[in-house]
Amino acid sequence: QQQVRQSPQSLTVWEGETAILNCSYEDSTFDYFPWYRLFPGESPALLIAIRPVSNKKEDGRFTIFFNKREKKLSLHITDSQPGDSATYFCAASEYYGNEKITFGAGTKLTIKP
Amino acid sequence: EAAVTQSPRNKVTVTGGNVTLSCRQTNSHNYMYWYRQDTGHGLRLIHYSYGAGNLQIGDVPDGYKATRTTQEDFFLLLELASPSQTSLYFCASSDTGGNYAEQFFGPGTRLTVL
Repeated sequence: QQQVRQSPQSLTVWEGETAILNCSYEDSTFDYFPWYRLFPGESPALLIAIRPVSNKKEDGRFTIFFNKREKKLSLHITDSQPGDSATYFCAASEYYGNEKITFGAGTKLTIKP
Repeated sequence: EAAVTQSPRNKVTVTGGNVTLSCRQTNSHNYMYWYRQDTGHGLRLIHYSYGAGNLQIGDVPDGYKATRTTQEDFFLLLELASPSQTSLYFCASSDTGGNYAEQFFGPGTRLTVL
């Protein structure tokens, strides 16, 4: 049972466009949602994260939009660059009593110049 | 200097073989994790530990053992490797558990089981 779902599995956008990566979750106790980015041949690394006290988190060209009622969030990458091409993982965890992060299956993003 | 290192970086073995993957972290973190990464499945947690001598079962533990010998060192053992265990394996560490803690990943070990 996949508790964190991502869509689409792969996405191609042109340089300069906005890429939108979607994520949904099932467990209402999740209260922390990090996004990790994996470049080919490298290690996953934390990109940006949000807690449900906010419905939006922005860091430069990267913005998370969060809808707690619908249990959905999305990562928007504005002014996409070829260097943004990577696999993006949405993840979720609980603050209390849980030592694990649950990752989604990932979205492979390709930015065409 | 890399804070999470893994060895070997690549490994080829045969079905039924015995494999040990090693991970060392110099972050002084309490938690260490072993994941496998497969296309279409993302990062799946195999085992994790919150300190030397401790082991917690993850989400896909079948066919894997693990041992945390020190705060720095965490090993993943495949005693009877099968082709289904061909994957990219990542080790990670974090200061605390899931409590808003960032996980720091190693460079990965690509394992092929023939």
